[in-house]
Amino acid sequence: SQQGEEDPQALSIQEGENATMNCSYKTSINNLQWYRQNSGRGLVHLILIRSNEREKHSGRLRVTLDTSKKSSSLLITASRAADTASYFCASPYSGAGSYQLTFGKGTKLSVIP
Amino acid sequence: EAGVAQSPRYKIIEKRQSVAFWCNPISGHATLYWYQQILGQGPKLLIQFQNNGVVDDSQLPKDRFSAERLKGVDSTLKIQPAKLEDSAVYLCASSLAGGLGYEQYFGPGTRLTVT
Repeated sequence: SQQGEEDPQALSIQEGENATMNCSYKTSINNLQWYRQNSGRGLVHLILIRSNEREKHSGRLRVTLDTSKKSSSLLITASRAADTASYFCASPYSGAGSYQLTFGKGTKLSVIP
Repeated sequence: EAGVAQSPRYKIIEKRQSVAFWCNPISGHATLYWYQQILGQGPKLLIQFQNNGVVDDSQLPKDRFSAERLKGVDSTLKIQPAKLEDSAVYLCASSLAGGLGYEQYFGPGTRLTVT
């Protein structure tokens, strides 16, 4: 079953605006990761935030983590048309002798020029 | 640094036919993953290899899916026979190791359409 669930499912904004996507998860995590997937391409790792961190920045990306609420958010500031993509949160869980990532269904972001 | 390579990029087959996908991970990456991504959903792990051994294939439909990673480098995923519900993008990913916190690098995927 999927661990993370992103909200909203789809988001449409104007270029230059900020975009915020949320992720809720069910069980305790060691870390939470965000990925981006452009149309017809594979996933690209954006950022990893550990369970003992509350906020992390990478360029125009800001990720927060609230372990008490089992939620995370991804903020993209000053959005660009090139940010149009689907964004997924993923968290590792201990599978059969290994750690595996479970992905949510994603938020589809459209940035209108 | 070369990324994860996959081929073919697209494949259309009829149900009950066979199909095979190939993946070449990033050099030096010990762990290789195959994911299935159905339209509108996130990727779902099918199988994980550590070098040439299977770590987890609990979500692989073994009656029709098989995968191997000979010599611990390239990997192939096969479906035989295919069903309509197998239509999806098949993603290959690799990482230095399979532990917590290791970033996974994904290939462009193979889009399979079963008619």
